[in-house]
Parts: sequence; C-alpha cells; structure tokens
Amino acid sequence: DTAVSQTPKYLVTQMGNDKSIKCEQNLGHDTMYWYKQDSKKFLKIMFSYNNKELIINETVPNRFSPKSPDKAHLNLHINSLELGDSAVYFCASSQAGTRHYEQYFGPGTRLTVT
Amino acid sequence: KNEVEQSPQNLTAQEGEFITINCSYSVGISALHWLQQHPGGGIVSLFMLSSGKKKHGRLIATINIQEKHSSLHITASHPRDSAVYICAANYGGATNKLIFGTGTLLAVQP
Repeated sequence: DTAVSQTPKYLVTQMGNDKSIKCEQNLGHDTMYWYKQDSKKFLKIMFSYNNKELIINETVPNRFSPKSPDKAHLNLHINSLELGDSAVYFCASSQAGTRHYEQYFGPGTRLTVT
Repeated sequence: KNEVEQSPQNLTAQEGEFITINCSYSVGISALHWLQQHPGGGIVSLFMLSSGKKKHGRLIATINIQEKHSSLHITASHPRDSAVYICAANYGGATNKLIFGTGTLLAVQP
C-alpha cells in the first residue's frame, strides 16, 4: 500500500564503511529524487532520475552514487562514509512532463556515521 | 543567502488562532510547493500552486507572482498542526528541481 518506501529507516555505521539505501515507488511515476536533510532540517536536492536517466546531479561528493535499475527504484550507494554524511535522506517521486507535479516523499532514512 | 526565504523561523500559537507563514523567492518560478513535516519525520505535500489561491480544509495557500511571495494560512489552528512547514520553489525546466526554504517550526499549544 505504501507509495514511496525506503529501507532501512535507520542506519548506524562507522566512518569508512560503504552503505546503500534503497527506494521504491509503486505510483507509476517516471521521476525519482534523492534529498538530504541536515541537522537544521534544511532540505537539498542531490540527484534525480527520469526513466532511469540521470537528470539532476548536484554538487555532491562522488562517494555518492545513485543507481536506478528501473523507473520504480532509485538506490543510493555511499562509499567511504564520513561524519558529515550523517543526515536524513529522503527519496521522492513525481510524474514527469512539461507540467509541474506534486512530489511524494518516502519516510526517510536516518544515517548516523560514528 | 538562501534563494527561498521563509518567515518566521519559529512560531508558537494558541489553539484556535489564525496562523500565517510567509515564503519569498528571488527570481521567477514555475510553481511553489508547501510541505509539512511532522515530528516523526515524514514529509507530506500540502499544496502546489503557480497562481492564485488553493484551499484544503483549514489550510489555504496563496501566491503573488509579481511580488514573488507566497503565504500558507491555517485557520482555527489545532495542536495536531504542530509541525515544520517548508516552502519549495520550482524554477521550471525539464528537471522539476526544488529549492527549499529553511522551514518554519510551528507549535500550537492547547
């Protein structure tokens, strides 16, 4: 029933490790996004895929690599985790096209790097 | 300076009060989103508007394109309205990229 789901919900790991966060949407949307929310609750776009094609790639360290195996999934892999990567990561999806559409957000993944 | 500014940053109200949260942006946009984030963390889209006014229950969102300004109003506020409210500007183009405001933390006291 869940529209946009993310796993895991919480992720605690040590510096230097590699981890992945998975996102899936069952809304039939063509576009998916990854956002980072910092400790001050400020949200910022990281990546966006439209039909498995990367369309937004903000200034993000290349330790972060998104992967979209199909248009319903957008995973985020992070290499060599650093303390500053601690944040809440949100996945979202929307329809695509020339009009503007609402974005539907996942529940978030709280990443803590120790 | 953030491209999208919100005010106030923090707001405490008594139950029943009329609440206004403001959002201003620096250049022309295609659409403006209002989002709600409850203490549990989930983000819900409340409104998306590119002109005029939209209403959903006790929530009203307005936008003035010429003045580059939007407001979110909550009538007859209730403690369950306590949340962070975030506006986000969509500057158009093919990417639907959102630029977020800094959020307004609203606490409605009974």
